[in-house]
Amino acid sequence: GAVVSQHPSWVICKSGTSVKIECRSLDFQATTMFWYRQFPKQSLMLMATSNEGSKATYEQGVEKDKFLINHASLTLSTLTVTSAHPEDSSFYICSARGGDMSEGNFGSGTRLTVV
Amino acid sequence: QKEVEQDPGPLSVPEGAIVSLNCTYSNSAFQYFMWYRQYSRKGPELLMYTYSSGNKEDGRFTAQVDKSSKYISLFIRDSQPSDSATYLCAMREGAQKLVFGQGTRLTINP
Repeated sequence: GAVVSQHPSWVICKSGTSVKIECRSLDFQATTMFWYRQFPKQSLMLMATSNEGSKATYEQGVEKDKFLINHASLTLSTLTVTSAHPEDSSFYICSARGGDMSEGNFGSGTRLTVV
Repeated sequence: QKEVEQDPGPLSVPEGAIVSLNCTYSNSAFQYFMWYRQYSRKGPELLMYTYSSGNKEDGRFTAQVDKSSKYISLFIRDSQPSDSATYLCAMREGAQKLVFGQGTRLTINP
Protein backbone atom coordinates (compact mmCIF):
# COMPACT_ATOMS: atom_id res chain seq x y z
CA GLY A 1 0.00 0.00 0.00
CA ALA A 2 0.88 3.66 -0.18
CA VAL A 3 3.46 4.81 2.31
CA VAL A 4 3.80 8.16 4.01
CA SER A 5 7.00 8.92 5.84
CA GLN A 6 6.99 11.52 8.61
CA HIS A 7 10.15 12.80 10.21
CA PRO A 8 11.23 13.26 12.92
CA SER A 9 9.23 10.89 15.09
CA TRP A 10 9.99 12.95 18.15
CA VAL A 11 11.72 16.22 18.88
CA ILE A 12 12.51 18.29 21.94
CA CYS A 13 13.21 21.97 21.47
CA LYS A 14 13.72 25.05 23.56
CA SER A 15 11.01 27.65 23.90
CA GLY A 16 11.35 30.33 21.23
CA THR A 17 13.00 28.14 18.63
CA SER A 18 11.44 26.78 15.42
CA VAL A 19 10.91 23.16 14.49
CA LYS A 20 10.32 21.67 11.03
CA ILE A 21 8.41 18.44 10.46
CA GLU A 22 8.53 16.68 7.10
CA CYS A 23 5.90 14.54 5.46
CA ARG A 24 6.78 12.56 2.33
CA SER A 25 4.67 10.33 0.13
CA LEU A 26 7.09 7.60 -0.91
CA ASP A 27 5.37 5.82 -3.78
CA PHE A 28 2.60 8.08 -4.98
CA GLN A 29 1.95 11.70 -5.79
CA ALA A 30 0.03 13.48 -3.10
CA THR A 31 -2.22 16.14 -4.55
CA THR A 32 -3.36 17.13 -1.09
CA MET A 33 -1.73 16.82 2.29
CA PHE A 34 -3.34 17.35 5.66
CA TRP A 35 -1.78 18.31 8.98
CA TYR A 36 -3.39 17.27 12.25
CA ARG A 37 -2.72 17.86 15.89
CA GLN A 38 -3.68 15.37 18.56
CA PHE A 39 -3.77 15.90 22.32
CA PRO A 40 -3.60 12.93 24.71
CA LYS A 41 -6.73 10.78 24.67
CA GLN A 42 -8.35 13.04 22.09
CA SER A 43 -9.13 12.69 18.43
CA LEU A 44 -7.28 14.24 15.53
CA MET A 45 -7.83 17.94 15.01
CA LEU A 46 -7.29 19.18 11.48
CA MET A 47 -4.96 22.16 11.38
CA ALA A 48 -4.61 22.82 7.68
CA THR A 49 -4.99 21.45 4.19
CA SER A 50 -2.29 21.99 1.61
CA ASN A 51 -2.37 21.51 -2.13
CA GLU A 52 0.82 21.29 -4.10
CA GLY A 53 1.95 24.67 -5.35
CA SER A 54 -0.65 26.74 -3.54
CA LYS A 55 -1.10 28.28 -0.12
CA ALA A 56 -2.41 26.13 2.67
CA THR A 57 -5.95 26.50 3.94
CA TYR A 58 -6.01 26.78 7.71
CA GLU A 59 -8.83 25.73 10.00
CA GLN A 60 -10.46 28.31 12.19
CA GLY A 61 -8.38 29.16 15.21
CA VAL A 62 -5.09 27.91 13.78
CA GLU A 63 -2.45 30.64 13.49
CA LYS A 64 -1.02 30.51 9.99
CA ASP A 65 1.98 32.64 10.96
CA LYS A 66 2.86 30.23 13.71
CA PHE A 67 2.30 27.00 11.83
CA LEU A 68 3.93 27.47 8.45
CA ILE A 69 3.05 24.87 5.84
CA ASN A 70 4.89 24.39 2.59
CA HIS A 71 3.86 21.93 -0.13
CA ALA A 72 6.43 22.59 -2.78
CA SER A 73 6.24 19.23 -4.53
CA LEU A 74 3.81 16.36 -5.01
CA THR A 75 5.76 14.23 -2.58
CA LEU A 76 6.77 16.61 0.20
CA SER A 77 5.00 18.88 2.64
CA THR A 78 6.55 20.53 5.68
CA LEU A 79 5.09 21.99 8.85
CA THR A 80 7.23 24.53 10.69
CA VAL A 81 6.26 25.47 14.22
CA THR A 82 7.74 28.92 14.68
CA SER A 83 8.71 30.44 18.01
CA ALA A 84 7.54 27.33 19.79
CA HIS A 85 6.11 27.52 23.29
CA PRO A 86 5.31 24.78 25.78
CA GLU A 87 1.63 24.92 24.84
CA ASP A 88 2.63 23.83 21.31
CA SER A 89 3.78 20.51 22.74
CA SER A 90 1.60 17.90 21.07
CA PHE A 91 1.48 14.99 18.64
CA TYR A 92 1.46 16.18 15.01
CA ILE A 93 0.33 13.86 12.21
CA CYS A 94 0.27 14.33 8.47
CA SER A 95 -1.74 12.50 5.86
CA ALA A 96 -1.51 12.46 2.10
CA ARG A 97 -4.32 12.01 -0.37
CA GLY A 98 -3.49 10.64 -3.78
CA GLY A 99 -5.37 10.70 -7.02
CA ASP A 100 -7.51 7.72 -6.03
CA MET A 101 -8.90 9.75 -3.10
CA SER A 102 -7.76 7.08 -0.69
CA GLU A 103 -7.56 8.02 2.97
CA GLY A 104 -5.18 5.40 4.29
CA ASN A 105 -2.00 7.35 4.05
CA PHE A 106 -1.09 8.71 7.45
CA GLY A 107 2.37 9.42 8.72
CA SER A 108 3.56 7.84 11.95
CA GLY A 109 3.35 11.16 13.79
CA THR A 110 5.80 13.53 15.44
CA ARG A 111 5.82 14.08 19.18
CA LEU A 112 6.92 17.65 19.86
CA THR A 113 7.98 18.69 23.34
CA VAL A 114 8.85 22.31 23.95
CA VAL A 115 10.81 23.00 27.11
CA GLN B 1 -23.77 18.96 18.58
CA LYS B 2 -20.72 17.37 17.01
CA GLU B 3 -20.95 16.23 13.41
CA VAL B 4 -19.70 12.79 14.39
CA GLU B 5 -20.41 11.22 17.77
CA GLN B 6 -18.40 8.29 19.09
CA ASP B 7 -18.39 6.88 22.61
CA PRO B 8 -14.83 7.30 23.93
CA GLY B 9 -15.13 4.28 26.22
CA PRO B 10 -12.94 2.83 27.54
CA LEU B 11 -14.22 -0.55 26.43
CA SER B 12 -12.74 -3.71 27.91
CA VAL B 13 -13.65 -7.21 26.69
CA PRO B 14 -12.20 -10.70 27.09
CA GLU B 15 -10.14 -12.30 24.36
CA GLY B 16 -12.26 -14.03 21.74
CA ALA B 17 -15.30 -11.79 22.23
CA ILE B 18 -17.06 -9.98 19.44
CA VAL B 19 -16.50 -6.23 19.67
CA SER B 20 -19.00 -3.71 18.39
CA LEU B 21 -17.94 -0.11 17.85
CA ASN B 22 -20.31 2.58 16.63
CA CYS B 23 -20.58 6.14 15.42
CA THR B 24 -23.52 8.36 14.63
CA TYR B 25 -23.42 11.43 12.47
CA SER B 26 -25.60 14.35 11.54
CA ASN B 27 -24.49 15.33 8.02
CA SER B 28 -26.53 13.35 5.51
CA ALA B 29 -24.11 14.39 2.76
CA PHE B 30 -21.33 12.15 4.07
CA GLN B 31 -20.55 9.53 1.46
CA TYR B 32 -17.26 7.93 2.47
CA PHE B 33 -16.87 6.15 5.78
CA MET B 34 -13.65 4.95 7.34
CA TRP B 35 -12.48 3.10 10.41
CA TYR B 36 -8.95 3.58 11.68
CA ARG B 37 -6.95 1.83 14.37
CA GLN B 38 -4.43 3.88 16.28
CA TYR B 39 -1.85 2.47 18.64
CA SER B 40 -0.35 4.72 21.27
CA ARG B 41 2.05 7.30 19.85
CA LYS B 42 1.48 6.14 16.27
CA GLY B 43 -0.40 7.48 13.28
CA PRO B 44 -3.84 6.05 12.39
CA GLU B 45 -3.97 2.90 10.27
CA LEU B 46 -6.86 2.46 7.86
CA LEU B 47 -8.90 -0.67 8.60
CA MET B 48 -12.04 -0.29 6.52
CA TYR B 49 -13.16 2.09 3.79
CA THR B 50 -16.78 2.09 2.64
CA TYR B 51 -18.62 4.16 0.12
CA SER B 52 -22.32 4.80 0.79
CA SER B 53 -24.44 2.21 2.57
CA GLY B 54 -23.87 -1.48 3.02
CA ASN B 55 -21.56 -3.99 4.59
CA LYS B 56 -17.91 -4.72 3.98
CA GLU B 57 -15.92 -7.58 5.40
CA ASP B 58 -12.18 -8.03 5.67
CA GLY B 59 -10.96 -10.95 7.71
CA ARG B 60 -12.14 -10.52 11.29
CA PHE B 61 -13.45 -7.03 10.63
CA THR B 62 -16.88 -6.07 9.31
CA ALA B 63 -17.99 -2.51 8.66
CA GLN B 64 -21.63 -1.54 8.30
CA VAL B 65 -23.07 1.75 7.10
CA ASP B 66 -26.74 2.64 7.54
CA LYS B 67 -27.22 6.01 5.89
CA SER B 68 -30.94 6.10 6.66
CA SER B 69 -30.12 6.02 10.37
CA LYS B 70 -26.83 7.93 10.04
CA TYR B 71 -25.12 5.14 11.91
CA ILE B 72 -21.96 3.18 11.20
CA SER B 73 -20.49 0.17 12.96
CA LEU B 74 -17.31 -1.83 13.10
CA PHE B 75 -17.40 -5.42 14.32
CA ILE B 76 -14.29 -7.34 15.37
CA ARG B 77 -14.66 -11.10 15.60
CA ASP B 78 -12.42 -13.37 17.65
CA SER B 79 -10.81 -10.35 19.28
CA GLN B 80 -7.13 -10.60 20.16
CA PRO B 81 -4.99 -8.70 22.69
CA SER B 82 -3.20 -7.16 19.71
CA ASP B 83 -6.51 -5.48 18.79
CA SER B 84 -6.16 -3.30 21.88
CA ALA B 85 -5.97 0.24 20.52
CA THR B 86 -8.03 3.34 19.91
CA TYR B 87 -10.53 3.00 17.07
CA LEU B 88 -11.52 6.12 15.19
CA CYS B 89 -14.40 6.49 12.80
CA ALA B 90 -14.11 9.14 10.11
CA MET B 91 -16.22 10.26 7.22
CA ARG B 92 -16.29 12.83 4.50
CA GLU B 93 -18.44 14.41 1.82
CA GLY B 94 -16.94 14.12 -1.64
CA ALA B 95 -13.44 15.55 -1.71
CA GLN B 96 -13.89 17.48 1.52
CA LYS B 97 -11.83 17.00 4.65
CA LEU B 98 -12.22 14.02 6.93
CA VAL B 99 -14.36 14.46 10.02
CA PHE B 100 -13.29 12.21 12.88
CA GLY B 101 -15.12 10.78 15.82
CA GLN B 102 -13.56 11.09 19.25
CA GLY B 103 -12.19 7.57 19.18
CA THR B 104 -12.98 4.55 21.37
CA ARG B 105 -10.26 3.08 23.55
CA LEU B 106 -10.49 -0.71 23.39
CA THR B 107 -8.71 -3.23 25.58
CA ILE B 108 -8.81 -6.97 24.89
CA ASN B 109 -7.98 -8.91 28.03
CA PRO B 110 -6.13 -12.25 27.66
